[in-house]
Amino acid sequence: DSGVTQTPKHLITATGQRVTLRCSPRSGDLSVYWYQQSLDQGLQFLIQYYNGEERAKGNILERFSAQQFPDLHSELNLSSLELGDSALYFCASSGGGLHRNTGELFFGEGSRLTVL
Amino acid sequence: QKEVEQDPGPLSVPEGAIVSLNCTYSNSAFQYFMWYRQYSRKGPELLMYTYSSGNKEDGRFTAQVDKSSKYISLFIRDSQPSDSATYLCAMNEWSSNTGKLIFGQGTTLQVKP
Repeated sequence: DSGVTQTPKHLITATGQRVTLRCSPRSGDLSVYWYQQSLDQGLQFLIQYYNGEERAKGNILERFSAQQFPDLHSELNLSSLELGDSALYFCASSGGGLHRNTGELFFGEGSRLTVL
Repeated sequence: QKEVEQDPGPLSVPEGAIVSLNCTYSNSAFQYFMWYRQYSRKGPELLMYTYSSGNKEDGRFTAQVDKSSKYISLFIRDSQPSDSATYLCAMNEWSSNTGKLIFGQGTTLQVKP
């Protein structure tokens, strides 16, 4: 158990809809990362938050947004969903982010999104 | 071209075999190199990490980094059925001051008893 909790584990929705994925990082971790994993693209970095502030941004679509709350949990909002958004969405956390990080990210078990 | 290239496999070997997994990359700013292991229906977990060039050994696992060739490898000795998983290489820029990792696509390994 990595200590990172993601909900929901599975989600099935229709095109055009909006969903929210939730992540609780490991106790004490200040950084939260969101990744998308699909068969053809692999694990793609979306966005990172550090202590409530956006720290780094990857190839995140404009239809997607995220935030980190004062209690450090994070939410990833996906809107105007398309078939191609079907994927596993992982949240990860680490202690650092502003300073050098040895690369150890602790991943949750993911939220599997299916868009029909 | 992707920043990190990894052959997705699948790779199937008999128990006890030596396994070699590899990644190439294009960004010379990468300084930290990692291997993550992902079991089916689970999140990735860190297996090994190395800083800059060189070798690192941990039990049956050896990680190698050749920065001059932009090539990293993971060797698994005496492979076991429990090693069956997807192995992802990952990299991080020293100067980026973030913890974000760039992953390879992952190689699926099956070790047959």
